[in-house]
Amino acid sequence: KAGVTQTPRYLIKTRGQQVTLSCSPISGHRSVSWYQQTPGQGLQFLFEYFSETQRNKGNFPGRFSGRQFSNSRSEMNVSTLELGDSALYLCASSITGGIADTQYFGPGTRLTVL
Amino acid sequence: DAKTTQPPSMDCAEGRAANLPCNHSTISGNEYVYWYRQIHSQGPQYIIHGLKNNETNEMASLIITEDRKSSTLILPHATLRDTAVYYCIVRVSSNYQLIWGAGTKLIIKP
Repeated sequence: KAGVTQTPRYLIKTRGQQVTLSCSPISGHRSVSWYQQTPGQGLQFLFEYFSETQRNKGNFPGRFSGRQFSNSRSEMNVSTLELGDSALYLCASSITGGIADTQYFGPGTRLTVL
Repeated sequence: DAKTTQPPSMDCAEGRAANLPCNHSTISGNEYVYWYRQIHSQGPQYIIHGLKNNETNEMASLIITEDRKSSTLILPHATLRDTAVYYCIVRVSSNYQLIWGAGTKLIIKP
């Protein structure tokens, strides 16, 4: 089975722009979670989607949003980019998102905001 | 906030067993302990998880104390490729999400 894929792998934007990142989960996985990783804050949970619905949300401003499609692929969008949004954005998929259900991570998208 | 405490760094000789400790004294009865590792800012790699029994797979063994307040990840024969940051995570029962701490930077030395 193919693993979790994320596109693009690298992205450079300027302040004020918006960006859309894409995640394709492992086949058969219906839960997709997004995380932000920065040197200062470490890995932080952004949100989780299951069956096209946002099921959980972390403590991030409304500039961060996401969606999930009927084929379980997910996108996240960041509007009005700030320098502090520079980070590695990670997507993880699991079958149902249950507590004993392993999350498998993609390689991440490295976003640099200038 | 993370519910786990790990040493910031550890060394281990190549070929020896690497034992990585983790404290999770506030873990609830239905919360799982997960271990991941991350190499050079790649995506985290799943290693193993458990609830209360010891677990073993092709990568590692997980030993959980009887009171569930701590656990140890064991890499039986460490290689240079095992150099990474290892994260011990309690998966919270409120929303099933992974709350990450700072992890342990494990360096395998030849």
